[in-house]
Amino acid sequence: GENVEQHPSTLSVQEGDSAVIKCTYSDSASNYFPWYKQELGKGPQLIIDIRSNVGEKKDQRIAVTLNKTAKHFSLHITETQPEDSAVYFCAASPGGYQKVTFGTGTKLQVIP
Amino acid sequence: DAGVIQSPRHEVTEMGQEVTLRCKPISGHNSLFWYRQTMMRGLELLIYFNNNVPIDDSGMPEDRFSAKMPNASFSTLKIQPSEPRDSAVYFCASSGMGPRNTEAFFGQGTRLTVV
Repeated sequence: GENVEQHPSTLSVQEGDSAVIKCTYSDSASNYFPWYKQELGKGPQLIIDIRSNVGEKKDQRIAVTLNKTAKHFSLHITETQPEDSAVYFCAASPGGYQKVTFGTGTKLQVIP
Repeated sequence: DAGVIQSPRHEVTEMGQEVTLRCKPISGHNSLFWYRQTMMRGLELLIYFNNNVPIDDSGMPEDRFSAKMPNASFSTLKIQPSEPRDSAVYFCASSGMGPRNTEAFFGQGTRLTVV
C-alpha cells in the first residue's frame, strides 16, 4: 500500500517568513495530493490539492509543487501569519478520496 | 449545510463500558469515513462506507470496535468494552464518491477518554 512520509514534524518561523513542508510517497499510481490544515480543537480542512498532470499550483499565499519522478511534493506558505499556526497534513491517493493515505503531520508555529 | 456533525464532542467513560460515537454526514455525500487520531499514530482510517455499505474495515483495531451506517444520514462507531488505550480523538468525514470527488469534510471530532 501507499506510504507517505512528511517532514519536518515541527516547524517554527517568524511572522512574514516562508514555511516549507515536504512529503514523499511510495506508490507510483498515486495521482492526487491534497493538503489539510488542522486547527486546535477542529477537524482537518482541505486547503489546497494538486493532481499529477500539473507540477505546481498556487492559491494566494499557498503553493504546492509536485515532482512525480522523485515522488516528492511540497507545501509552501509565503508571508506567514499567526493564523497559519496549525498542524498540516499531506496525503496521497491513486484516485478519489477513498484511498487517501495521510502523512504524519507538521506542527507549524508562526511567531509574531 | 451545517457540515459533518459529530456527537458527543467529549466523552469520559470508565474502562469496560460501552461507548457509542455518532456522526451525521453532509447531505448528498455518499461516502463516510471514521478516523482515530492520537499523538503516537497520527490519523488512522478505521473504516469507510460507500452508499451505507462498509467497504474497508481493515483499520478497525479489533473486535471491540464496530461501525454501522443504517441510512445515508447517520453512522455510529461503537467500542465495547472500552479500554484506556482507546483514548483518542475520533473523527468522522464525508465526501462524494468517484475519482473526481476528492474533498473530504471532517467533523469537529469526539474526544474520548477512557479511565
